[in-house]
Amino acid sequence: DAEITQSPRHKITETGRQVTLACHQTWNHNNMFWYRQDLGHGLRLIHYSYGVQDTNKGEVSDGYSVSRSNTEDLPLTLESAASSQTSVYFCASSERGRAGTQYFGPGTRLTVL
Amino acid sequence: RKEVEQDPGPFNVPEGATVAFNCTYSNSASQSFFWYRQDCRKEPKLLMSVYSSGNEDGRFTAQLNRASQYISLLIRDSKLSDSATYLCVVSTGTASKLTFGTGTRLQVTL
Repeated sequence: DAEITQSPRHKITETGRQVTLACHQTWNHNNMFWYRQDLGHGLRLIHYSYGVQDTNKGEVSDGYSVSRSNTEDLPLTLESAASSQTSVYFCASSERGRAGTQYFGPGTRLTVL
Repeated sequence: RKEVEQDPGPFNVPEGATVAFNCTYSNSASQSFFWYRQDCRKEPKLLMSVYSSGNEDGRFTAQLNRASQYISLLIRDSKLSDSATYLCVVSTGTASKLTFGTGTRLQVTL
């Protein structure tokens, strides 16, 4: 069965370290997204991609970067982790033209100390 | 003002009750509308799309009022398994991007 996975599921790191969160989907979807979810803010879009070599900034992209070298993966990198980036991170994917049907990964809980 | 606003709840209802959630959106150019469900500490999952004519999926009915920029979700005959947070979601402009409300929490009790 097709799926979308994230790793690690939990991560504790220190301020200033570089952290990469992995996202892998086997749906063969063109579109991939990264969100963060915090109390009081709901899901906020960090970065998104419509295909290989395509990346775009979302509403809260500062301090994050992504790259898309193949269809299946969209890793999210925190260049220099800050305590404000403590959050739950969700990756999602969707078919081209099927905006509303996004499939989410199980999430990564990141704590920056 | 948030782009998508929801009452956070919680809504505490007994099994078998009917409950309704509302959501308002600020961008009149919004084109597509959805309800997602999120269980505690889990990922969001699409519950249903919302169409102008209104649509039903079993015990769930969704309505859209474009003039008032208002979306609703009605759940009839609530089950314990309906306990979750319901996210109102809007797509504006670039079709593949979604804007999520903060969610309304529902707790169904015996």
